[in-house]
Amino acid sequence: AQSVTQLGSHVSVSEGALVLLRCNYSSSVPPYLFWYVQYPNQGLQLLLKYTSAATLVKGINGFEAEFKKSETSFHLTKPSAHMSDAAEYFCAVSDRIIQGAQKLVFGQGTRLTINP
Amino acid sequence: GAGVSQSPSNKVTEKGKDVELRCDPISGHTALYWYRQSLGQGLEFLIYFQGNSAPDKSGLPSDRFSAERTGGSVSTLTIQRTQQEDSAVYLCASSPDSGRAWETQYFGPGTRLLVL
Repeated sequence: AQSVTQLGSHVSVSEGALVLLRCNYSSSVPPYLFWYVQYPNQGLQLLLKYTSAATLVKGINGFEAEFKKSETSFHLTKPSAHMSDAAEYFCAVSDRIIQGAQKLVFGQGTRLTINP
Repeated sequence: GAGVSQSPSNKVTEKGKDVELRCDPISGHTALYWYRQSLGQGLEFLIYFQGNSAPDKSGLPSDRFSAERTGGSVSTLTIQRTQQEDSAVYLCASSPDSGRAWETQYFGPGTRLLVL
């Protein structure tokens, strides 16, 4: 079964600083990887996904992630944090349910706090 | 267009009562998923529907949990004889096709269930 590990349950950065949220995956097949964001009392919103087309994936709100097979990583970055980025971020990997159908397996999440 | 909607947004019930949670997927989406988000377990997959059929129910935590989908659209998750450990946010998601690994899952805002 596929799995993901997010290093750091809480990350705090200053406004304008670099955001780096770490995700490592374990997969026996080429993975499909996702980053979702959850704002308070809301559902999950897709930030970006890796589907093997390109190793550097650009998403919404200025976020991007780089797939590194040698490091089994898919870390999320943003060059300059905004106060509005404060939220919880989830890394996820597709895992097979049955032939032709997949579910998402999520990491434990990282809560991002932005300091003024 | 309209996103995934869920009702109720909040539900407080007494231990031992039955509850029904509803999900309206994005119109035309074939695949529908239920996940549970709790403090202890994080985000976990419960069940997947392809059309009205649920090919794998092994993610449901106990036989008190059941789900159905009618008309290839609305889904209901039912929890019988609720227990305090059922307290969680129940998230519904849908995707356009058959649940392929690279498909984006679109999430609803969730139903926050509290069992007293």
